[in-house]
Amino acid sequence: EPEVTQTPSHQVTQMGQEVILRCVPISNHLYFYWYRQILGQKVEFLVSFYNNEISEKSEIFDDQFSVERPDGSNFTLKIRSTKLEDSAMYFCASSERTFYEQYFGPGTRLTVT
Amino acid sequence: EDKVVQSPLSLVVHEGDTVTLNCSYEVTNFRSLLWYKQEKKAPTFLFMLTSSGIEKKSGRLSSILDKKELFSILNITATQTGDSAIYLCVGGSNYKLTFGKGTLLTVNP
Repeated sequence: EPEVTQTPSHQVTQMGQEVILRCVPISNHLYFYWYRQILGQKVEFLVSFYNNEISEKSEIFDDQFSVERPDGSNFTLKIRSTKLEDSAMYFCASSERTFYEQYFGPGTRLTVT
Repeated sequence: EDKVVQSPLSLVVHEGDTVTLNCSYEVTNFRSLLWYKQEKKAPTFLFMLTSSGIEKKSGRLSSILDKKELFSILNITATQTGDSAIYLCVGGSNYKLTFGKGTLLTVNP
């Protein structure tokens, strides 16, 4: 069964460093998303992406964040200068079309020290 | 601001019990109500509901949506220990999902 994959599973970085989280969405899906979940809190929407453009983004997704689909399979989230409060589980998701159910990857746990 | 509220926040039952999880929502440009199950890491998809009053079923799980009252329920009959998880109610709009805090269900043998 097709699934969303994410790498790495765990990333530790120092405050101020740049990190890139990688995702491979399900191959026939056209819509891609990033969410985050701070430990003990609910899942929060960051950004949605379609046709090489951001469709919608939340207040969390400020200038420190960017997304890219560098090739036909990968979808990346970059955090330019990490802060302690960026420590969270980051989930990538994809859907075949908008309004369809989204399928989530296993997540990348980002720890900023 | 979009909001999804779930109740109860936690529930402990015995195997074989039936449970009902509640969800109310206020979502701009609402398109669908989704239920996910979260065990260890990623949420896994259970149901997507778009029409009022039509029950969706999958085995022992079922769900229904009331778009007038902005409410949904998830029922689990004959619970098993493997049903222990966090159940997430999610409001779907044009390009994003809004999650509730979840109901932590613990099923004891």
